[in-house]
Amino acid sequence: DQQVKQNSPSLSVQEGRISILNCDYTNSMFDYFLWYKKYPAEGPTFLISISSIKDKNEDGRFTVFLNKSAKHLSLHIVPSQPGDSAVYFCAASAVDDKIIFGKGTRLHILP
Amino acid sequence: GAVVSQHPSRVICKSGTSVKIECRSLDFQATTMFWYRQFPKQSLMLMATSNEGSKATYEQGVEKDKFLINHASLTLSTLTVTSAHPEDSSFYICSASVSGVVNEQFFGPGTRLTVL
Repeated sequence: DQQVKQNSPSLSVQEGRISILNCDYTNSMFDYFLWYKKYPAEGPTFLISISSIKDKNEDGRFTVFLNKSAKHLSLHIVPSQPGDSAVYFCAASAVDDKIIFGKGTRLHILP
Repeated sequence: GAVVSQHPSRVICKSGTSVKIECRSLDFQATTMFWYRQFPKQSLMLMATSNEGSKATYEQGVEKDKFLINHASLTLSTLTVTSAHPEDSSFYICSASVSGVVNEQFFGPGTRLTVL
């Protein structure tokens, strides 16, 4: 049973436009959510996170939105740049528990 | 940020042999290291958590006798895949935590294991 779901395996976005990556979760005990970026043959790199007490966290071009009632979070990247092309993993954890990853969404930024 | 290295980056071995993968935290001391496995187009799956000087905690379904984990120092953890079989072929990634806090993990670049 997948506790963290990324239903879009891939997404293509024009350079300069907004990229929106979505993630749903099922475990109401999750209280911390993270986004990782991963290039081929490399390990994930931490991008941005959000605690369950917040509904928005912004860091430069990256903003994560959390909707606890819908058990949904999204990552917004604006403006999208060619270097943003990668696989993005949504992840979640409960207090002192392991991180659960989604399957990832491959983002293609088109020139 | 904190740097974690893995060696080797790629390894090809024959079925039945054992393979050791090293994970090092280069500029910090890691109280806790994590080992993940990723199959193609799948999520990273936690295999085990290891704390320096103590036995690793394995996730359900992960054979501790097959995947030997040693965390002998605060900067080095090793994963040994014993008697590897083709189904063990995967991308193995380690991560390290300074504080032991699960949310603060720094990931290594991963090791691609191919078992023939």
